[in-house]
Amino acid sequence: GESVGLHLPTLSVQEGDNSIINCAYSNSASDYFIWYKQESGKGPQFIIDIRSNMDKRQGQRVTVLLNKTVKHLSLQIAATQPGDSAVYFCAENGNTGNQFYFGTGTSLTVIP
Amino acid sequence: DTEVTQTPKHLVMGMTNKKSLKCEQHMGHRAMYWYKQKAKKPPELMFVYSYEKLSINESVPSRFSPECPNSSLLNLHLHALQPEDSALYLCASSQVSGGGNQPQHFGDGTRLSIL
Repeated sequence: GESVGLHLPTLSVQEGDNSIINCAYSNSASDYFIWYKQESGKGPQFIIDIRSNMDKRQGQRVTVLLNKTVKHLSLQIAATQPGDSAVYFCAENGNTGNQFYFGTGTSLTVIP
Repeated sequence: DTEVTQTPKHLVMGMTNKKSLKCEQHMGHRAMYWYKQKAKKPPELMFVYSYEKLSINESVPSRFSPECPNSSLLNLHLHALQPEDSALYLCASSQVSGGGNQPQHFGDGTRLSIL
């Protein structure tokens, strides 16, 4: 399944499928990006980050892709599990120093 | 369990009360942050402390007063709040890095309700 972030803030996928969550960031000066996962009643949890000198970074079951030309960031989750159900936020630093600006967020629901 | 601890987890207060939110981290981080998060919205930055000094105030009303007594603690003093201030208040910390190139670690927040 795939979301378009700001326009489709909810995403439902079947367990075992891959998920793609998209984010359009706003500041062309941003050079550091983070994906956070926020479960109900919890604070945002760091998933993966990427710096602007890279266009792809992989973690455990997650991959972040960065396209600076169109200011687009995506998070791919492989073999999505029920425990992946949460709201996912991208954040950009705006190159201002210790400030992060969060995107709207996408709510991911995994159907068992 | 998070490495950033916030207390209390829940707080209900009247508009004339004075209360404080507390945040503690022992990761040696020298940047600490307060965010406000309304339901189904992203966190909004309120304050940034760097080396125990206030470096950013995002035009927050004076009824919110931050304090950083030492490198491990961050407080948010509340006075004469309004019902619209009801929200989840998140604390975060990070290593200090020019350009903000270090991930922030968040606590689980204080759920604040103003009567």
